[in-house]
Amino acid sequence: GQQVQQSPASLVLQEGENAELQCNFSTSLNSMQWFYQRPGGSLVSLFYNPSGTKHSGRLTSTTVIKERRSSLHISSSQTTDSGTYLCALEANYGNEKITFGAGTKLTIKP
Amino acid sequence: GPKVLQIPSHQIIDMGQMVTLNCDPVSNHLYFYWYKQILGQQMEFLVNFYNGKVMEKSKLFKDQFSVERPDGSYFTLKIQPTALEDSAVYFCASSSGTNYEQYFGPGTRLTVL
Repeated sequence: GQQVQQSPASLVLQEGENAELQCNFSTSLNSMQWFYQRPGGSLVSLFYNPSGTKHSGRLTSTTVIKERRSSLHISSSQTTDSGTYLCALEANYGNEKITFGAGTKLTIKP
Repeated sequence: GPKVLQIPSHQIIDMGQMVTLNCDPVSNHLYFYWYKQILGQQMEFLVNFYNGKVMEKSKLFKDQFSVERPDGSYFTLKIQPTALEDSAVYFCASSSGTNYEQYFGPGTRLTVL
């Protein structure tokens, strides 16, 4: 079955609003990474966050292992935040494959 | 931060030909990966490689696919022969082995005609 589920599939907000993206997983977790995928396809690594909360500017990632979820919060969104956000789970023993979610397509309107 | 390079950025070939995609991983990384993303679809794992060997491969990693990293040079993905369904962006990644963070290259867009 699907190991990594992202929600929502798409999200449309007005500039200045906060965005909350979710990633739920059905297996045990070794690591969780969040990426921003540019329209051209290249990946920008946002967070490597196996547990707890991390901050980077307007972005916050929280991973709660017991609840098998990870979230990405974008505060005071800007039009340049528009794009696709991917979470990726690495399970089991480490340095193995990572399984990507299907992504959340975020659109920020001016 | 650490960078993974991929060469070429784009490749167009005729069906049935051979293609080699090259990845220059982060220096001193030990684990290497290939992922495939068909346009508009989900990123999917192909194969990972450690100590000169394939550790795990997915069902997408067909018999026509092979990987190697001769003498610490490029980590390569070879497809021979190519098929139309191989058209996709192929991403290379590497990790250190001391933690599980994977660093991704910019991708090679492969078009098979």
